[in-house]
Amino acid sequence: QVQLQESGPGLVKPSQTLSLTCTVSGASISRGGYYWSWIRQRPGKGLEWIGHIYYSGNTYYNPSLKNLVTMSVDTSRNQFSVNLRSVTAADTAVYYCARTDWNYYYFDYWGQGTLVTVSS
Amino acid sequence: EIVLTQSPGTLSLSPGERATLSCRASQRITSTYLAWYQQNPGQAPRLLIYGESNRATGIPDRFSGSASGADFTLTISRLEPEDFAVYYCQQYGSSPTFGQGTRLEIK
Repeated sequence: QVQLQESGPGLVKPSQTLSLTCTVSGASISRGGYYWSWIRQRPGKGLEWIGHIYYSGNTYYNPSLKNLVTMSVDTSRNQFSVNLRSVTAADTAVYYCARTDWNYYYFDYWGQGTLVTVSS
Repeated sequence: EIVLTQSPGTLSLSPGERATLSCRASQRITSTYLAWYQQNPGQAPRLLIYGESNRATGIPDRFSGSASGADFTLTISRLEPEDFAVYYCQQYGSSPTFGQGTRLEIK
């Protein structure tokens, strides 16, 4: 059974960097055939795709966030991470990591999500 | 950016009834890249349908997807109590986007 688990600080100060890690179990990131994505959901709002990374390190970011986002992958730990710079209160959201099929581009396994609040 | 517009915003139905949820794309998209998700409060979204009409693993056959041009439809043939949730469509054109959601509530 594929499982994903987000981890990281639940509180970040404005203008600082939000950093989260997703640990994958039940599947190997380095096997290929899948992208590994980050998606967020602001309180009471819809879903926003942040970007994805492939095991090779290739990335693709949401154009609206690409100047602020960096993703990385650690295949030895079966983890991938996201950094979001210069955060504001508008970045307060539940952040999900998800496995992404690279043929049909759907998100088939999701983490439970982690709430990150941006506040001083 | 391709915008997905879901309608209605809220749908009030009773168990046993048929639900029809719509998703319209601002540009023509390949139906291969259209998926539907169900989200319950406090939970992550769950994949229902991908590639326009393929059910994900473990999804009951009362859920079905279809397309006509830039219009996509999720149909739930007979509503069960556990089906009342928020539903999102999602596309992958140049960049993935989600619709704003349809809330399916008990009438």
